[in-house]
Amino acid sequence: DAGVIQSPRHEVTEMGQEVTLRCKPISGHDYLFWYRQTMMRGLELLIYFNNNVPIDDSGMPEDRFSAKMPNASFSTLKIQPSEPRDSAVYFCASSETTGVRNTIYFGEGSWLTVV
Amino acid sequence: AQSVTQLGSHVSVSEGALVLLRCNYSSSVPPYLFWYVQYPNQGLQLLLKYTSAATLVKGINGFEAEFKKSETSFHLTKPSAHMSDAAEYFCAVSGVDSSASKIIFGSGTRLSIRP
Repeated sequence: DAGVIQSPRHEVTEMGQEVTLRCKPISGHDYLFWYRQTMMRGLELLIYFNNNVPIDDSGMPEDRFSAKMPNASFSTLKIQPSEPRDSAVYFCASSETTGVRNTIYFGEGSWLTVV
Repeated sequence: AQSVTQLGSHVSVSEGALVLLRCNYSSSVPPYLFWYVQYPNQGLQLLLKYTSAATLVKGINGFEAEFKKSETSFHLTKPSAHMSDAAEYFCAVSGVDSSASKIIFGSGTRLSIRP
C-alpha cells in the first residue's frame, strides 16, 4: 500500500489567501485524522472522521478552518482566510479501526507557510 | 479524559549508552499507550503500543517500554543508542471505550546522540 498521501508537501501563501490541503487515506481505513504540529503547541488533533462523517471537531481552532471528507478516499482541510499564525505542518493520518488494533498511520505532512 | 506528560523536551546520550525517555499518563482506567517516532521532515511512525496484553512491550529498532500502573508510567528504553536513533519521540494515549479512536499525543522529546 502507498500509505497516507498528502498534497501539497510544501506551500507558501500570502496572508488572506485560501489554502486547501488534501489527503488520501490508506484504502480500507475507516478513520481519518487531521493534526497540526507547531513548535509552540506540539501535535494537536484538529478533527477526525469515521466512515466519512466528522466525529469530533473540537480541535479546529476557529471558523476559518473547515474539513470535509466527501468519500472514503479523499479529505480536505481548508483555511480561509489564512493568517501567519497558521504556519505549521499539517498531518493527515488514518486508522483501520479502534481499540486494540487502533494504529494510526501518518502521511509525510504538508508544510504551510503564510507570509 | 486521557492525557500524557513527557518529561524532558530534549535528551542527549552518547552512542552505545542507555536511552530512557519518560512518559506518564493520566486516565481513569488503564488506557492504550503508544510510542511514535518522527524523523526529520517525515510523519510519525509507530514504535510500539500497549494494549493490556503484556506490561513489557517490545517495538521496532530495539526499543521497548514497560507499563507500570502503580506509577502511571510508560517509559521508553533502548539498551544501546545508535546514531540513527536521533529523532523526536512522542508518547500517546487513547481510551478503551468510545474514545478509543481518539489518540492524544504528548509534547515530544527530542533525542540527540553524541558520537
